[in-house]
Amino acid sequence: QVQLVQSGAEVKKPGASVKVSCKASGYTFTNNYGMHWVRQAPGQRLEWMGWINTGSGKTKYSQKFQGRVTITRDTSANTAYMELSSLTSEDTAVFYCVREIEVPSKDFDNWGQGTLVTVSS
Amino acid sequence: QTVVTQEPSLTVSPGGTVTLTCASSTGAVTSGYYPNWFQQKAGQPPRALIYDTTNKHSWTPARFSGSLIGGKAALTLSGVQPEDEAEYYCLLYYAGAPPWVFGGGTKLTVL
Repeated sequence: QVQLVQSGAEVKKPGASVKVSCKASGYTFTNNYGMHWVRQAPGQRLEWMGWINTGSGKTKYSQKFQGRVTITRDTSANTAYMELSSLTSEDTAVFYCVREIEVPSKDFDNWGQGTLVTVSS
Repeated sequence: QTVVTQEPSLTVSPGGTVTLTCASSTGAVTSGYYPNWFQQKAGQPPRALIYDTTNKHSWTPARFSGSLIGGKAALTLSGVQPEDEAEYYCLLYYAGAPPWVFGGGTKLTVL
């Protein structure tokens, strides 16, 4: 079965960067799939951050996070990564990876368990 | 800035029917927005319910259905169960930028 397993919780200081990983299993990582990253601050809505096509490596980012977020993937490790820089207290949140079946119907079917990032001095 | 709007909260009695909607600030929502719906319970990651407007996952209970109503995406729960109490989010696709936007979520109370 499809599984997305994310790296563990992180505590970072303001201004630092964080890199969260999402290891996929149970499917062919590079076949017509996307991996999205979503932020959820405490008690807040879900926010779409960006996407990578895990086959081609093509990326798109939300304008809100453009310039601060970088999404990459390692096809040999079936793992996607999200790096967020210049952290502030507003980035204290749970970050999720989400698989998308891009063809034919843009199906966001499986979520990782989430990674809590705490930004504190 | 594109905004996707959902009802902030709804209350339904057990066994009842409720419809949650998802509107776009850009105009009517169509199937080209590929609406997805998710359920999130406290302390858990979201769980996918509906994709591409009407399609259910293998794990989606039969009482959940997706549609388009009055220019909005809609999620209808028929025969609501106590375990359906949760936050529900929609997600819409925009062909240009951003391209994906979540709604603000609807807190569904079963009372």
